[in-house]
Parts: sequence; structure tokens; C-alpha cells
Amino acid sequence: AQTVTQSQPEMSVQEAETVTLSCTYDTSESDYYLFWYKQPPSRQMILVIRQEAYKQQNATENRFSVNFQKAAKSFSLKISDSQLGDAAMYFCALVHDSGNTPLVFGKGTRLSVIA
Amino acid sequence: DTGVSQNPRHKITKRGQNVTFRCDPISEHNRLYWYRQTLGQGPEFLTYFQNEAQLEKSRLLSDRFSAERPKGSFSTLEIQRTEQGDSAMYLCASSPRGNGYEQYFGPGTRLTVT
Repeated sequence: AQTVTQSQPEMSVQEAETVTLSCTYDTSESDYYLFWYKQPPSRQMILVIRQEAYKQQNATENRFSVNFQKAAKSFSLKISDSQLGDAAMYFCALVHDSGNTPLVFGKGTRLSVIA
Repeated sequence: DTGVSQNPRHKITKRGQNVTFRCDPISEHNRLYWYRQTLGQGPEFLTYFQNEAQLEKSRLLSDRFSAERPKGSFSTLEIQRTEQGDSAMYLCASSPRGNGYEQYFGPGTRLTVT
């Protein structure tokens, strides 16, 4: 069974500063994908960033980047130059490479951005 | 590409009533997933379809729950004899052929059972 753990229920960051959200996971598979999803209040979930497990290079998407440590089964999200619009629930998720299994989500981290 | 749509967006029902939700996936996405999200939790998998075939069901999907995807297009999720514990956000997601790991989510249907 796969598990995803987010140990920070809530985080806050000052506008324009940098924040890192933590995620650890467990899977017996060698090929898988990891994701960070953003869910703003009362709005739908959107994909922030994706990491393929077979890639050593950390994924980046504009102000969002990850620190993927495969041996440690760690997958953290760094948000640089935080903006008010970044305030949301952030979910870490895992799926096996086959795509024949559903996403397994963590419990989420609520990020507040302070002006 | 209009994205995944779900209807209704909100549903309030009395305990014991039946409810049905609809999900329209992104056009030509062959996989469709249903998740349930309770307050303060991440989404939990309920069931998924590849085309019209229901391939997997979670143990969370009790006998009161049924899902269909006729003709491999839209999907419906029905809950019979609703209970207060069914109150949650029901999320639908779809993924394209060959990229089952790329799931695009709809806005969800929030169910409140009184």
C-alpha cells in the first residue's frame, strides 16, 4: 500500500518570502509520479508541479520547485516570492507509473500568505 | 477544452434520501475517477472507469454507492439512503489516454446530509 504524509497542517509566509512544504511517502514501486496540487478556498484542485521518480533533476515551474530525495522518500515544495494568491490547501500526491492506480493524497497543508 | 464539469455544485438532502451527481470529463479523456474529500482531509479514492468499464472500487464504496459511465462519456455517482457521514465534497477527475497519471479535477459537488 502507498502512503503520503504531510506533517505540517498549517504554514504561513510573508508576502515575497520563500516557504517550503514537506511531504514524505512510502511505496514499494520503483516507477511512480509525485505531484503537488493546490486547492484554493471553494475552488477546484489544480496541478502545481509534477516529478517523475526516474528523473534525478528536480522539477521547477516558475516560482515553484521541488526537492525530490528518492532514497529518503521525501518530496518537498518550495514556493519563492510568495504571493497572496498562493494561499490555499496544498496536497502532495503519488501515483504509480502505470497510471492504473488512483492518486494517493496526503492530508494537506494549509498555507496562509501574510501581506 | 472546457475542463471537467460537475453538477450540481451543492446538494443539501435529508438523511435517507437518494442523491445523484454527474461528472462530465474533458473530451476524449478515457479515464474517469471519483474521490471523496471530507473536511480537513485529502481526497480519498472511490472508484474509476476506463471508458465504460468500472475497473476498481475502493472499500469506501459501500453498497449504498453506485457509479456508472454509460458509453464511456459522462459518469454518475448515486448514493442511496444517505447518512450524515456521507456529507463531503465529491470530486471527479479525468485523464487522457496513455497518461493515466495526469488527472484533471472538476470543481466538486458538496453534499450536506441533514
